[in-house]
Amino acid sequence: AQSVTQLDSHVSVSEGTPVLLRCNYSSSYSPSLFWYVQHPNKGLQLLLKYTSAATLVKGINGFEAEFKKSETSFHLTKPSAHMSDAAEYFCVVRGTSNFGNEKLTFGTGTRLTIIP
Amino acid sequence: EPEVTQTPSHQVTQMGQEVILRCVPISNHLYFYWYRQILGQKVEFLVSFYNNEISEKSEIFDDQFSVERPDGSNFTLKIRSTKLEDSAMYFCASKRDLSYNEQFFGPGTRLTVL
Repeated sequence: AQSVTQLDSHVSVSEGTPVLLRCNYSSSYSPSLFWYVQHPNKGLQLLLKYTSAATLVKGINGFEAEFKKSETSFHLTKPSAHMSDAAEYFCVVRGTSNFGNEKLTFGTGTRLTIIP
Repeated sequence: EPEVTQTPSHQVTQMGQEVILRCVPISNHLYFYWYRQILGQKVEFLVSFYNNEISEKSEIFDDQFSVERPDGSNFTLKIRSTKLEDSAMYFCASKRDLSYNEQFFGPGTRLTVL
């Protein structure tokens, strides 16, 4: 079975400084990995996805993530944090199925706080 | 841009009552899902649905739960006799087809069981 581990439950950074949210995965095959963001009282929005193409994936709002097979990691980064980035971030791995209906397995989430 | 919608946004019910949570997936999507998030915990898979039947369900999805696509546009989650521990945010998601990876999530329904 596949799983993801988010290494930090809470990250605080100052506005304008880099963001690093860490995620490690466990999978017996080449996984599909995603980062979703959840703003307060909002639904889940896809930030970016890795599906065995380029290992450096660019997403919305200036976020990117790098798939590193040797480290089983898929860390999320952003060069310069903005106040609007304050939210909960989930690292997600997709399961496999012959029917195309693979369930998503979520990490425990990292709450990102931006300090003015 | 098409989006998944869910109603109601917040449902309060008494323990033992039946609730139906409603979702309208994106219109040309074929795969449908329910997830839940208990306050302070991670998002958990409940059930997937394709071609008018359940494809996969988690151990959480016991006999108290059922799903239905009654009319080709709505996708519902029914809890027959709610328990206090059913209090959570319930998310509906849909996916276009077999070749597509992304699941699109609705804004969620917050269920409070008193």
